[in-house]
Amino acid sequence: DAGVIQSPRHEVTEMGQEVTLRCKPISGHDYLFWYRQTMMRGLELLIYFNNNVPIDDSGMPEDRFSAKMPNASFSTLKIQPSEPRDSAVYFCASSQGGLGAEAFFGQGTRLTVV
Amino acid sequence: AQSVAQPEDQVNVAEGNPLTVKCTYSVSGNPYLFWYVQYPNRGLQFLLKYITGDNLVKGSYGFEAEFNKSQTSFHLKKPSALVSDSALYFCAVRDRNQGGKLIFGQGTELSVKP
Repeated sequence: DAGVIQSPRHEVTEMGQEVTLRCKPISGHDYLFWYRQTMMRGLELLIYFNNNVPIDDSGMPEDRFSAKMPNASFSTLKIQPSEPRDSAVYFCASSQGGLGAEAFFGQGTRLTVV
Repeated sequence: AQSVAQPEDQVNVAEGNPLTVKCTYSVSGNPYLFWYVQYPNRGLQFLLKYITGDNLVKGSYGFEAEFNKSQTSFHLKKPSALVSDSALYFCAVRDRNQGGKLIFGQGTELSVKP
């Protein structure tokens, strides 16, 4: 398997624009996580899914953020409208086989909002 | 609510010396505990985990960690540090009573000098 695949790797956008980040989890994995990494806040859990169903979105910072998982092989994180403070590295991770299983991370998307 | 604390932002060690990166956790039930490493501009890579059983777990690259239930700690250790161990290290926890939520500590920057 190619691992967790995220796209794009880098995104530069202007404030107010819509941004969509994409994630393809490892085939067969039933948990999918979205994290945001910044120097100030570290690695924050935004939302996670189990079997394509959102379980906990309490980490989503504002209504400007939304995430979907229409099927087992694809998830999106959307920011609309984007703001400079959304600039961060966004990671997707997936895991399989129960709560004791480790999660595998994608390479991340570095988002810059100017 | 579950939480993880890494009390040291940075740990400095001389090559060949033993290293310890500290982690404490808080959960309502029994924890699953994980350590990950992140190299610059990369995603997180899994090192080791504690599920149950022996309190000393061994992982990749010569790392090990000791689960201490009474102190709610899960410190990462290595008998002899290498310069190539220099990276950002994250502790993470999953609470068996909180579904699949995977929470990370703030990270500890490990610097190993020749």
